[in-house]
Amino acid sequence: QQQVKQSPQSLIVQKGGISIINCAYENTAFDYFPWYQQFPGKGPALLIAIRPDVSEKKEGRFTISFNKSAKQFSLHIMDSQPGDSATYFCAAGGGSNYKLTFGKGTLLTVNP
Amino acid sequence: DAGITQSPRHKVTETGTPVTLRCHQTENHRYMYWYRQDPGHGLRLIHYSYGVKDTDKGEVSDGYSVSRSKTEDFLLTLESATSSQTSVYFCAIRQGAFYGYTFGSGTRLTVV
Repeated sequence: QQQVKQSPQSLIVQKGGISIINCAYENTAFDYFPWYQQFPGKGPALLIAIRPDVSEKKEGRFTISFNKSAKQFSLHIMDSQPGDSATYFCAAGGGSNYKLTFGKGTLLTVNP
Repeated sequence: DAGITQSPRHKVTETGTPVTLRCHQTENHRYMYWYRQDPGHGLRLIHYSYGVKDTDKGEVSDGYSVSRSKTEDFLLTLESATSSQTSVYFCAIRQGAFYGYTFGSGTRLTVV
């Protein structure tokens, strides 16, 4: 049972373009939606996160859009750079013990 | 950021042998987690701990056990390693507000 569905699996974008990664969840008890960035050989690192009481959160070139009624959220990377090339994971958490359920990941390649 | 180290970084072991992976943190964070990362599956929770000697199962706990005898160390044991347990294992600690995880650098385990 996949509780967090992430798409696309891979994405190729030109430098300066917009990268968009989408996630959908099923469990309405989820109340925290972070995105993680992972470079090869490294552990995932928290990039940006949102709570369901807001519809959008922006940090620099990274924006989360959140649609509570559709149970969907997305990551937008503006002015994508080659250094953004990495694997991105969405996640959702809720309830006790702060457990996170992760999507399967998106491999982003930004061509120079 | 809290220091979090995993050991070993790489290990090759034979089928049927026991294996223990270690996660060590330098601050007194209460919540610790073990995930495995596999292509096409993303990150899946194996076990987690919410305090010394307080642990619980995640979604893929079969074949794994954990122990936490002191705050700073969280051990993951494969009682009898199988080839299906070949994976990259990540430890994470909950740090900061809400679900802010910090991940270790991972252990690449190969079972031959």
